[in-house]
Amino acid sequence: ILNVEQSPQSLHVQEGDSTNFTCSFPSSNFYALHWYRWETAKSPEALFVMTLNGDEKKKGRISATLNTKEGYSYLYIKGSQPEDSATYLCAFIGTGGFKTIFGAGTRLFVKA
Amino acid sequence: EAQVTQNPRYLITVTGKKLTVTCSQNMNHEYMSWYRQDPGLGLRQIYYSMNVEVTDKGDVPEGYKVSRKEKRNFPLILESPSPNQTSLYFCASSLGVLAGELFFGEGSRLTVL
Repeated sequence: ILNVEQSPQSLHVQEGDSTNFTCSFPSSNFYALHWYRWETAKSPEALFVMTLNGDEKKKGRISATLNTKEGYSYLYIKGSQPEDSATYLCAFIGTGGFKTIFGAGTRLFVKA
Repeated sequence: EAQVTQNPRYLITVTGKKLTVTCSQNMNHEYMSWYRQDPGLGLRQIYYSMNVEVTDKGDVPEGYKVSRKEKRNFPLILESPSPNQTSLYFCASSLGVLAGELFFGEGSRLTVL
């Protein structure tokens, strides 16, 4: 079974802090990596779809990078706000099949 | 409005009583899939479908069945539910598994007594 790991499991920051977390995935048979934001009592919503080694994506204060050779992606949040509090999920899609393998997520708490 | 609709949103049932959770999308998406979410485990894929009449197992298919007779619908069937299937279930769809982001339904919380 393919393993996708996210770290840290949870993170507490103050409003205005910048933060980042990691998604590790198999470096072979890579096709795509997705990042999702999941607020409590809602459904996950897509942030980024990344397919190329070296990809960098940005949406407002949130950005992500991708290293497929070493099997990791970073998600950065600049100047965290309380509304950024959520669980951030990454999902790996490989070329060996069409399964989507999710990490367990990083739970971010931003204190005002 | 583009959406993925799941029903029921909440259900309490008893062991062995067959149930179906429906999923429908109005975005003409080819790819649909089901996930379950359990504490500390993240989303685990149950089944997925690349297109009509094409389905395949995810990582945790035991105890579940699916069908894809129409493009818009992808029901999840629990023939004989057991307590270990108590979970939060999500249906999702995308243009194609390799094509882009997943759009999720609102989730169905199932309790099997």
